[in-house]
Amino acid sequence: DIQMTQSPSSLSASVGDIVTITCRASQGISNSLAWFQQKPGKAPKSLIYAASNLQSGVTSKFSGSGSGTDFTLTISSLQPEDFATYYCQQYKSFPFTFGGGTKVEIK
Amino acid sequence: EVQLVESGGGLVQPGGSLRLSCAVSGFTFSDHYMDWVRQAPGRGLEWVGRMRNKVRRHTTEYAASVKGRFTISRDDSKNSLYLQMNSLKTEDTAVYYCVRGKDGSCFDDWGLGTLVTVSS
Repeated sequence: DIQMTQSPSSLSASVGDIVTITCRASQGISNSLAWFQQKPGKAPKSLIYAASNLQSGVTSKFSGSGSGTDFTLTISSLQPEDFATYYCQQYKSFPFTFGGGTKVEIK
Repeated sequence: EVQLVESGGGLVQPGGSLRLSCAVSGFTFSDHYMDWVRQAPGRGLEWVGRMRNKVRRHTTEYAASVKGRFTISRDDSKNSLYLQMNSLKTEDTAVYYCVRGKDGSCFDDWGLGTLVTVSS
């Protein structure tokens, strides 16, 4: 199975900050990488697919990059509604696997 | 508007069975691959399985943790996806989400989830 490692596991940031979350795959996955946002008590929401493509309706303050084994999610100008847990996921091969999550909290 | 609504969750004893349903609307269900993803209380996301569309003969994939115990099926005429869960274990306790596939590969829209609790 492909292991997905996210870092950091949590971070504190202020409104207006730029936040970067990293995700590393245990083997190359090309660009078969997605990012999700989950707020407490809510279902996850798809943000990005194919490493850098925004899902329909997702604001451009979210951006993704990377290929192979190393990927990043960047949130520009953090807003109160962005405080949540973010997960990466590989869909290059079965079983699909998720990173452990990064909780973005208010400083 | 795309909607996915799971139902069928509840409390079940270890070794028991449960069948989850996911009713969808707002898109052509028969065209899409569909997945189940679960989340144990306070934990991260775990992929459970996938059923492909009719073109791909409704073939399935499963996580090792559920293979042989869980079965995914669908009824395209009813716009519904199912997850039959047998031989349930306490570690199957989780919120189960139905997820629409996108472009035959990644995930798109998620349902609200249904809670399954396996406990004596």
